[in-house]
Amino acid sequence: QVQLVQSGGGVVQPGRSLRLSCVTSGFIFSNYGMHWVRQAPGKGLEWVASIKNDHTKKFYDDSVKGRFTISRDNSKNTLYLQMDSLRGEDTAVYYCARADYYDSRGYFDFWGQGILVTVSS
Amino acid sequence: DIQMTQSPSSLSASVGDRVTITCRASQIITTYLNWYQQKPGEAPVLLIFATSALNLNIGVPSRFSGSGSGTDFTLTISSLQPEDFATYYCQESRSSWTFGQGTRVEVK
Repeated sequence: QVQLVQSGGGVVQPGRSLRLSCVTSGFIFSNYGMHWVRQAPGKGLEWVASIKNDHTKKFYDDSVKGRFTISRDNSKNTLYLQMDSLRGEDTAVYYCARADYYDSRGYFDFWGQGILVTVSS
Repeated sequence: DIQMTQSPSSLSASVGDRVTITCRASQIITTYLNWYQQKPGEAPVLLIFATSALNLNIGVPSRFSGSGSGTDFTLTISSLQPEDFATYYCQESRSSWTFGQGTRVEVK
């Protein structure tokens, strides 16, 4: 069965860095685009970044552009989110998600369990 | 950027009620619209993709249905069940994968 298992969260000081990982199994990882979505405490869902299956294209929300880097290692079936220059407003539960498509219409059909990142001094 | 606005932000309902949640896009997104359910402390779960009631995710009960096109969309739960009390999000996949702010369905 499809599984996305996240790790790497924790408490970090403002201005510091953290890297999240999302190890996948149960599907051919290199066939799918992947995304990161976050949810601040008590708030709604916010799309953060995406990467195509072949690494060729990466996209970011304006709020993280220039600070976060999405990457993947298809040989390890793993998705990453490198988060630099962290701010208090980056405090959230971060989810990785797999994107699939129906007639060119994308959707997130499998999600990781979520991992909390707390930015605080 | 496309903005997604859900209404209401919350509603109170009883088991057996028919519940309708609406989602409006700031631009035409044809049928690039998905619905998710999220329970406290859990990851979101895909309910409906590409707008239509014909596109229920695997395992989603048929009491859930979706409709709409262009800028206006609805999610309907035909007969609310105890496990349906949760927060529901719409998402556009036409542009930047933007989510609506969520609609919390609470016990009346």
